[in-house]
Amino acid sequence: SYELAQPPSVSVSPGQTASITCSGDKLGEKFASWYQQKPGQSPVLVIYQDTKRPSGIPERFSGSNSGNTATLTISGTQAMDEADYFCQAWVSGIAGVFGTGTRVTVL
Amino acid sequence: EVQLVESGGGLVQPGGSLRLSCAASGFTFSIYWMHWVRQAPGKGLVWVSRINSDGSSTSYADSVKGRFTIARDNAKNTLYLQMNSLRAEDTAVYYCAREGMESTPYNDHWGQGSLVTVSS
Repeated sequence: SYELAQPPSVSVSPGQTASITCSGDKLGEKFASWYQQKPGQSPVLVIYQDTKRPSGIPERFSGSNSGNTATLTISGTQAMDEADYFCQAWVSGIAGVFGTGTRVTVL
Repeated sequence: EVQLVESGGGLVQPGGSLRLSCAASGFTFSIYWMHWVRQAPGKGLVWVSRINSDGSSTSYADSVKGRFTIARDNAKNTLYLQMNSLRAEDTAVYYCAREGMESTPYNDHWGQGSLVTVSS
């Protein structure tokens, strides 16, 4: 089965850059999306098709995907960005796989 | 405004059945593919199932294949998940989610979730 690995946690100071990685076999050959989930809330799409931001998502969120790793970058991190983040990819176009999740803490 | 409202969750005994519903509004439901995603308490997201716009094509995670059935009624703007032979490990919040309109799957809108607890 296909697996996507993320670091369990990332800490960042306010105003600094947070990078969250998502690793999977030949992930760069698939499209990755990223979801933000705050405690007690439903997930929110922040990046799709590797680099695209939905309307309403701040420009400080960006994404990349190459080789075996997709990366979500939060530039100028704010306290409101503290949340869990999950990557997702599709296997053979028929089955979805989520990453293990990363908790971002803004210190 | 896009709205997805799940219902039908609750407590069920192991081996029992439950049907979840997801009422959609604020968009043309009949042209969108839809998904179910679940999240066990304190755990990560797990993709469960997907259905195409007219209901003729479905796919499932291996963990639920043969036990769960996804379906939709476009006349009622409603998505369903029939869950049979439930196990303790099926305990989770179940989200319905809309798939975006680009060429690759992603979920651009999510419901608030419905909690399913499988316990004796």
